[in-house]
Amino acid sequence: GENVEQHPSTLSVQEGDSAVIKCTYSDSASNYFPWYKQELGKRPQLIIDIRSNVGEKKDQRIAVTLNKTAKHFSLHITETQPEDSAVYFCAALRYGQNFVFGPGTRLSVLP
Amino acid sequence: ETGVTQSPTHLIKTRGQQVTLRCSSQSGHNTVSWYQQALGQGPQFIFQYYREEENGRGNFPPRFSGLQFPNYSSELNVNALELDDSALYLCASSRTSGNNEQFFGPGTRLTVL
Repeated sequence: GENVEQHPSTLSVQEGDSAVIKCTYSDSASNYFPWYKQELGKRPQLIIDIRSNVGEKKDQRIAVTLNKTAKHFSLHITETQPEDSAVYFCAALRYGQNFVFGPGTRLSVLP
Repeated sequence: ETGVTQSPTHLIKTRGQQVTLRCSSQSGHNTVSWYQQALGQGPQFIFQYYREEENGRGNFPPRFSGLQFPNYSSELNVNALELDDSALYLCASSRTSGNNEQFFGPGTRLTVL
């Protein structure tokens, strides 16, 4: 079955700097890759997603890149702000199967 | 458009008891998935319901069971509770099964003593 790894487990950046979180997956048939942000005590919220027929997707300060050959995808946050501090989860899905989540990255944006 | 809701928000049970958690899907969504999120970990897939039928199951024992109703709301039942069942239980709804966006509810925090 699918296995998703995520690095780093914790990440601290200065406000205004960029943050990059990387995930790798094992099932080459996976074709949908969402990213979720979870603030303390709150529900995971979908922030961006990418499908396997696209290499990059951007939404304001957030972007996701996908390398199908290497089976990894990354979340890029530019111009980080204190409100970006949260735990970020990546996930992978193969059509007809279930979502498999990574273990999460705790991002701290320092003022 | 109404978002995903769950009840109750918190629950305390003792070992061996049974619990029922409830989820109302977002309007227009016919698929509900349940996840267990232990502290400091990512959500783990329990099972999915699509049009009132189980449509996939993760690596959870049979004492975890579920239902989906005609209005697409869903229940998660856990029998013979164990200490390790203490976790945040999340449901997520999507427009249909397959590789579609999932939207999470706020979760039910279950503590087993």
